[in-house]
Amino acid sequence: NAGVTQTPKFQVLKTGQSMTLQCAQDMNHEYMSWYRQDPGMGLRLIHYSVGAGITDQGEVPNGYNVSRSTTEDFPLRLLSAAPSQTSVYFCASTPALGRNTEAFFGQGTRLTVV
Amino acid sequence: QKEVEQDPGPLSVPEGAIVSLNCTYSNSAFQYFMWYRQYSRKGPELLMYTYSSGNKEDGRFTAQVDKSSKYISLFIRDSQPSDSATYLCAMMGETGTASKLTFGTGTRLQVTL
Repeated sequence: NAGVTQTPKFQVLKTGQSMTLQCAQDMNHEYMSWYRQDPGMGLRLIHYSVGAGITDQGEVPNGYNVSRSTTEDFPLRLLSAAPSQTSVYFCASTPALGRNTEAFFGQGTRLTVV
Repeated sequence: QKEVEQDPGPLSVPEGAIVSLNCTYSNSAFQYFMWYRQYSRKGPELLMYTYSSGNKEDGRFTAQVDKSSKYISLFIRDSQPSDSATYLCAMMGETGTASKLTFGTGTRLQVTL
């Protein structure tokens, strides 16, 4: 049981390049989320999904796209990277049943845009 | 103004000290209050959660929520070097889920020998 797996762990992009951050979970959780973590800003929600085929925007969605074609995967796409997107990105999954107060986080992807 | 305010620290204490970490918030709809612990270059992990007002104890950790003051606290007794990490408070409303948490900025704690 690997939990939440994020790839890559590190990435350097040039301004204007595109890339996809991968996130996979093997806990059969319905809910998945993407956060970014910046110094002095804490974790901010980018996009989230409550099930396959259903996504919605969080606090800071601009410049990012997501899709959820399967329960297990929730990729985050940067269409045209900007230096302001330099951050650490965390994917999280949450079970739908029960009190569902616990989000399980991946190890993060450290992205630098130059 | 951010919905959740948290002193970023860093907070440095000697081993064995009692540590108090705090957050204030402005959204009265928040009903679930959580503390996550994040070690360096790792993802956050849930430490404790509390529903509405009151106290909750788990070993050396105690979480307190005062909804009337919109203030939450995490106390760590007999702090250990292994407690050195960033502590993030997180909150959500009655109808929310942990897929949509509002986080504080995190407080970095260093417990020294």
